[in-house]
Amino acid sequence: NAGVTQTPKFQVLKTGQSMTLQCAQDMNHEYMSWYRQDPGMGLRLIHYSVGAGITDQGEVPNGYNVSRSTTEDFPLRLLSAAPSQTSVYFCASSGNRDASYNEQFFGPGTRLTVL
Amino acid sequence: GQSLEQPSEVTAVEGAIVQINCTYQTSGFYGLSWYQQHDGGAPTFLSYNALDGLEETGRFSSFLSRSDSYGYLLLQELQMKDSASYFCAVRDEDQAGTALIFGKGTTLSVSS
Repeated sequence: NAGVTQTPKFQVLKTGQSMTLQCAQDMNHEYMSWYRQDPGMGLRLIHYSVGAGITDQGEVPNGYNVSRSTTEDFPLRLLSAAPSQTSVYFCASSGNRDASYNEQFFGPGTRLTVL
Repeated sequence: GQSLEQPSEVTAVEGAIVQINCTYQTSGFYGLSWYQQHDGGAPTFLSYNALDGLEETGRFSSFLSRSDSYGYLLLQELQMKDSASYFCAVRDEDQAGTALIFGKGTTLSVSS
């Protein structure tokens, strides 16, 4: 199993550009989440999904969209990038019939810089 | 809403024991988790407590008191490789018990 994969690993954008951060998991997990991590702020929840077709907002959803058309994929879209969105983005997944919902598995992260 | 408080930094020497405390406020509590993150890496799961008491996993233990909204992570026989950031996180009803709300993290520095 590859676990949770994220692409790209690094990205530089200009203010106003849009882009999609990709996240995929091959563990058949029901729950998936996106977090951003800024120095001194810990990880903050952006959006989450409890299954295909179901998404909801977390702590800091503004400026981001998500969709979950399949169990495996949970892309995060930046609609119009701003310097305040410079951060490290982590995708995570957890839980299915055979695996605990208590342990979240994180991808390696995407380091995004917005100029 | 939710909030979690944990110390920002802790220092210790190899072989010592260190305790990282976490207090939380949530609207509907499912459980308290602990994650470890090395510089530049992804967070990795250490433990989860849903009920009061102590859970032990090797050199690491985690404790929860639901009545006090308090938990801690205990690291024994510290090693240099334990130098990392440690995050407490809650699952609560605002996220339907799915995603996590994290504290700001505690940076542990282990010296020889």
